[in-house]
Amino acid sequence: GAVVSQHPSWVICKSGTSVKIECRSLDFQATTMFWYRQFPKQSLMLMATSNEGSKATYEQGVEKDKFLINHASLTLSTLTVTSAHPEDSSFYICSARVLALYTDTQYFGPGTRLTVL
Amino acid sequence: KQEVTQIPAALSVPEGENLVLNCSFTDSAIYNLQWFRQDPGKGLTSLLLIQSSQREQTSGRLNASLDKSSGRSTLYIAASQPGDSATYLCAVRPTSGGSNYKLTFGKGTLLTVNP
Repeated sequence: GAVVSQHPSWVICKSGTSVKIECRSLDFQATTMFWYRQFPKQSLMLMATSNEGSKATYEQGVEKDKFLINHASLTLSTLTVTSAHPEDSSFYICSARVLALYTDTQYFGPGTRLTVL
Repeated sequence: KQEVTQIPAALSVPEGENLVLNCSFTDSAIYNLQWFRQDPGKGLTSLLLIQSSQREQTSGRLNASLDKSSGRSTLYIAASQPGDSATYLCAVRPTSGGSNYKLTFGKGTLLTVNP
């Protein structure tokens, strides 16, 4: 099946710094990637939809200036958490959409655990 | 607004037992429903996907059913094993949204299978 990777798998940073998380589709091209956030014992919440070559579409309540998303190629999307604060500590998961003749599904990355001190 | 609820929130069973996980959704206008498995601190692994026109899907010891009109799906796990221990999430895809559809997830059921 399709493989999606994320890097790093975990990161600890100081409050006020910025952190970049990469999401790559390893063996397929993804015109659309999604970024989710998951707090402990909570469901995945969609943060934004990222389309290659265009601006991301953010969900209501998600600050676009704080969570910068770049989808510069068909295999890479990045999420940058700017001026991170402890409340941004969470598990961030990306997914990549595969759209083919008989297939339209999302493949999920392994997630990135962000801890802001 | 679509809401997805999973019951129970946690379940502990002895090895070998058959079990059922439940998922309900408020808006029946769905394109498909998907069951995922999530191990602690890990991403999601897709288990079964049921299209809105289907009633059930099977994969090995797993069987998922869908009753779209009543807004319910169940995941049946036969002869459970300790390796089945994980959080099981269901997610629905709406019929609307086109290429920018949004999945709505439940909070999951934490399953523990005791040896």
